[in-house]
Amino acid sequence: AQSVTQLGSHVSVSEGALVLLRCNYSSSVPPYLFWYVQYPNQGLQLLLKYTTGATLVKGINGFEAEFKKSETSFHLTKPSAHMSDAAEYFCAVSDPGSTSGTYKYIFGTGTRLKVLA
Amino acid sequence: GAGVSQTPSNKVTEKGKYVELRCDPISGHTALYWYRQSLGQGPEFLIYFQGTGAADDSGLPNDRFFAVRPEGSVSTLKIQRTERGDSAVYLCASSLTGLPADTQYFGPGTRLTVL
Repeated sequence: AQSVTQLGSHVSVSEGALVLLRCNYSSSVPPYLFWYVQYPNQGLQLLLKYTTGATLVKGINGFEAEFKKSETSFHLTKPSAHMSDAAEYFCAVSDPGSTSGTYKYIFGTGTRLKVLA
Repeated sequence: GAGVSQTPSNKVTEKGKYVELRCDPISGHTALYWYRQSLGQGPEFLIYFQGTGAADDSGLPNDRFFAVRPEGSVSTLKIQRTERGDSAVYLCASSLTGLPADTQYFGPGTRLTVL
């Protein structure tokens, strides 16, 4: 069964510093990969996704992620953190080869990002 | 355009009661998903609808949980004989076709508290 691991349930960075949020998946078949952000009392918002093609994916708000098949990773980065980036971030995968026809997401447990002034 | 909406935003009920949670997906989206998010966890899949039919209900925890989507649009998640362990945020998502590359758009969720 697929699983998603997000290392670090809480990450703190200074404003202007690099943001790196880690995501690793376990799957024999490369999945489709997603990063979502959740602000307090709001729904999940898609930041970016990888399906096929270029492995470096750019998303909204200056975030990007790189799919590395050899490392089974899809880490999320942003060069310079802003106070407004403080939120919870979820990595998710879906199995494009699902035989059930259900392309549900499997989520990691989330990483709460704190940005220090 | 309008996103996915869910009502109520909060629901407090007593153990043993019946509750209904409603989801209005994005217009034209044929695929609809329900997830449950417990405190400190990522969302977990409950059920998937393609049109009016429940194509996959493998995530429903037991037979107290049931969901319908009679006209292929609005969906209702129904929980009978609620238990304290059912307390969580219930999220609804919709996507255009349900294909794997489709983005799932999430609603704000319904926070269910069972006393």
